[in-house]
Amino acid sequence: SQELEQSPQSLIVQEGKNLTINCTSSKTLYGLYWYKQKYGEGLIFLMMLQKGGEEKSHEKITAKLDEKKQQSSLHITASQPSHAGIYLCGADNPNTGNQFYFGTGTSLTVIP
Amino acid sequence: DAGVIQSPRHEVTEMGQEVTLRCKPISGHNSLFWYRQTMMRGLELLIYFNNNVPIDDSGMPEDRFSAKMPNASFSTLKIQPSEPRDSAVYFCASWGPPGTEAFFGQGTRLTVV
Repeated sequence: SQELEQSPQSLIVQEGKNLTINCTSSKTLYGLYWYKQKYGEGLIFLMMLQKGGEEKSHEKITAKLDEKKQQSSLHITASQPSHAGIYLCGADNPNTGNQFYFGTGTSLTVIP
Repeated sequence: DAGVIQSPRHEVTEMGQEVTLRCKPISGHNSLFWYRQTMMRGLELLIYFNNNVPIDDSGMPEDRFSAKMPNASFSTLKIQPSEPRDSAVYFCASWGPPGTEAFFGQGTRLTVV
């Protein structure tokens, strides 16, 4: 099965600081998806990356997929308390069946 | 489309009772997933269906858990009998073709006392 490992598992940062969350796959990715979950709520889709080297941004969040399509990073610039929550990467791979996989998750706390 | 709809949003039940969680996926999506989320174990895949057929139920904790998808627009996750360690948030997600994101319901927060 496809495995996604995220690092770090948890992160506590001061408001205004930059941070990076990583997602590493044991196999080449077909599509890589980033989700955010506010505590006690459902998962919200952030961005999807499909091409090697692709980079996308939404407000102060930037996601990149490496050329080999096995690692993605999520970077938050000038973090705010509203960025707090759990960040999950997900992936699909038609070659391993119709399944959507999730990483282990990164819990982010932003201290005002 | 209203998105993935789960019911109930909250469920409190006594140990030993039967619990049924419901999910209505997005119309046209072929795959449906049930996940369980706890602080200790994070998000765990319990079972997923493709075209209403269970494909992988290796994540189902034990025989007390069962899931069905009688048609493309409805799925249930049943726990019988329920135990306090089943307390968690249960999410349902539906997914269309590869290259598109999976959509999640708001989850059902289950508390077994």
